[in-house]
Amino acid sequence: DAGVIQSPRHEVTEMGQEVTLRCKPISGHDYLFWYRQTMMRGLELLIYFNNNVPIDDSGMPEDRFSAKMPNASFSTLKIQPSEPRDSAVYFCASSPSPNQPQHFGDGTRLSIL
Amino acid sequence: SQELEQSPQSLIVQEGKNLTINCTSSKTLYGLYWYKQKYGEGLIFLMMLQKGGEEKSHEKITAKLDEKKQQSSLHITASQPSHAGIYLCGAPGVTTSGTYKYIFGTGTRLKVLA
Repeated sequence: DAGVIQSPRHEVTEMGQEVTLRCKPISGHDYLFWYRQTMMRGLELLIYFNNNVPIDDSGMPEDRFSAKMPNASFSTLKIQPSEPRDSAVYFCASSPSPNQPQHFGDGTRLSIL
Repeated sequence: SQELEQSPQSLIVQEGKNLTINCTSSKTLYGLYWYKQKYGEGLIFLMMLQKGGEEKSHEKITAKLDEKKQQSSLHITASQPSHAGIYLCGAPGVTTSGTYKYIFGTGTRLKVLA
């Protein structure tokens, strides 16, 4: 079975550029989560969707971050404009319901120069 | 807001030794998950505990949930180099506004010396 698929695996870009991270959840999973992981702050929930609808975006750092889920099989996390402090590993995860374990993608390692 | 504190933060053990990792919650636990993460990879789900006193095992890894202590422990018996990685606990919760939240512990970095 295909797991959660994220792209790209690595992204290096200059400050000020727009960055788009992509995620394909596991088919049939109604919940999709975006996380950010850093050494300083650990794993932080940014936003999650239920049936393509954003439910809680209180973890999104600021207006430069936006996330969309146009359909059940695709989501994007966009940063515009990007800043060096956005450098981190970004994970996408999905689960069939809130109280079921989440399945994680391999993450996107983002470096903003 | 609820927080999960893990101890120790890092651990180095000799192959074959037993070890325990703890996860303590600042609020009541209604369930707890354990994940393992290898460098450069995503989190791999290990086990889910839902009831107080529940204990589950997978190969040489055993996890327990103590609701009264608001704590869970992960025990590895006869550790192997393949056990090395970062272990994270996670717990579901509900915010004051009623939305679903999922928080993670600070992580325990395990190294097993061959």
